Amino acid sequence: DGGITQSPKYLFRKEGQNVTLSCEQNLNHDAMYWYRQDPGQGLRLIYYSQIVNDFQKGDIAEGYSVSREKKESFPLTVTSAQKNPTAFYLCASSIDWDRKETQYFGPGTRLLVL
Amino acid sequence: DAKTTQPPSMDCAEGRAANLPCNHSTISGNEYVYWYRQIHSQGPQYIIHGLKNNETNEMASLIITEDRKSSTLILPHATLRDTAVYYCIVPEKSHQAAGNKLTFGGGTRVLVKP
Repeated sequence: DGGITQSPKYLFRKEGQNVTLSCEQNLNHDAMYWYRQDPGQGLRLIYYSQIVNDFQKGDIAEGYSVSREKKESFPLTVTSAQKNPTAFYLCASSIDWDRKETQYFGPGTRLLVL
Repeated sequence: DAKTTQPPSMDCAEGRAANLPCNHSTISGNEYVYWYRQIHSQGPQYIIHGLKNNETNEMASLIITEDRKSSTLILPHATLRDTAVYYCIVPEKSHQAAGNKLTFGGGTRVLVKP
């Protein structure tokens, strides 16, 4: 089956700890995205990647980092600099940058701070 | 993104058609209307999009008024699994940085009842 997978489903972070959220897609999509969703709120763009080995900051990139070494993978690291990391994190992809409005989302990772 | 207005919530009987309205009176001539839905604690799911003609796929139908100032998403035979928040989105046409290319506002919370 083609799709986007995210792991883990739930992740706990201790104070001062960096954690990495996994996002993998086998849709052969060029563009990938990371969003953050707070309870009862819409999605906010953290980072996006138009193509492998390229990525750009979104609206709330501070405290986060990404890499895009492979087309199918776009991991997100939540660093200790992110002071309020508790949220629902969503990864998405689109066929290419020109069709970024049609995005396919993964199931999400819920990050909780201990 | 062009501003969209949706009712905050609506109920629908299982097996009946659900008609979800959306107003987008400031839409410009080359802007598409997109619909997504988000089932609780899952990632958003793309449903359908259109420009001026009515569109239909395996999930839903999209009816766009002739003046393009409003549209209606139709779920022809609602099931309990269609309970979700439905988002009507009109992304701005831009080749600049993504920013909030998909702005998920409040949406319509649809509850399908047995």
